[in-house]
Amino acid sequence: QKEVEQNSGPLSVPEGAIASLNCTYSDRGSQSFFWYRQYSGKSPELIMFIYSNGDKEDGRFTAQLNKASQYVSLLIRDSQPSDSATYLCAVISAGGTSYGKLTFGQGTILTVHP
Amino acid sequence: EAGVAQSPRYKIIEKRQSVAFWCNPISGHATLYWYQQILGQGPKLLIQFQNNGVVDDSQLPKDRFSAERLKGVDSTLKIQPAKLEDSAVYLCASSLAQGALNEQFFGPGTRLTVL
Repeated sequence: QKEVEQNSGPLSVPEGAIASLNCTYSDRGSQSFFWYRQYSGKSPELIMFIYSNGDKEDGRFTAQLNKASQYVSLLIRDSQPSDSATYLCAVISAGGTSYGKLTFGQGTILTVHP
Repeated sequence: EAGVAQSPRYKIIEKRQSVAFWCNPISGHATLYWYQQILGQGPKLLIQFQNNGVVDDSQLPKDRFSAERLKGVDSTLKIQPAKLEDSAVYLCASSLAQGALNEQFFGPGTRLTVL
């Protein structure tokens, strides 16, 4: 079982719709959860992080965490073509908490079509 | 504020050759990371430095890969000898400190092709 799993997609949504990206993790003791966006040929950039159960909102982005289900998601409201990218879920597991070791999923390709 | 710098941006070598990558982190960042990202996969941590000491190198193939961070600033990652499966983007990242909530900033990466 992979430590961090994502559906590789591609996920295709129309412009203006809500894009829902999902991630599951295997280490129940994981502490912190991150969403990165990576445009083709570019390096990852941090969108949001969340470390407590519930929702965290930042503009059009909402991260949701459910530790009991070991599940974290990213919602993108009013999706724009410029949101088309690969979205990487990353987790800091319990063993890596002290020094911040990130474990990434394989990423979900999102395409927003006009 | 200048970002993480890496060079070269692209490198093509034949298998069994050697190659080295260079990284200059954001000024003042104590923690430096090297990741390997194979096409279609997420980045995989190879090695993490705190200043000039190694924090984690559990996923570094030590028979062929080596890394150093002399003086706690710049870092180099070397592969000797390279294999076909080493073809990937090598990403360097830095953060102000180590720990769960320190944002990692990534450099542009070096794309390595091994023929």
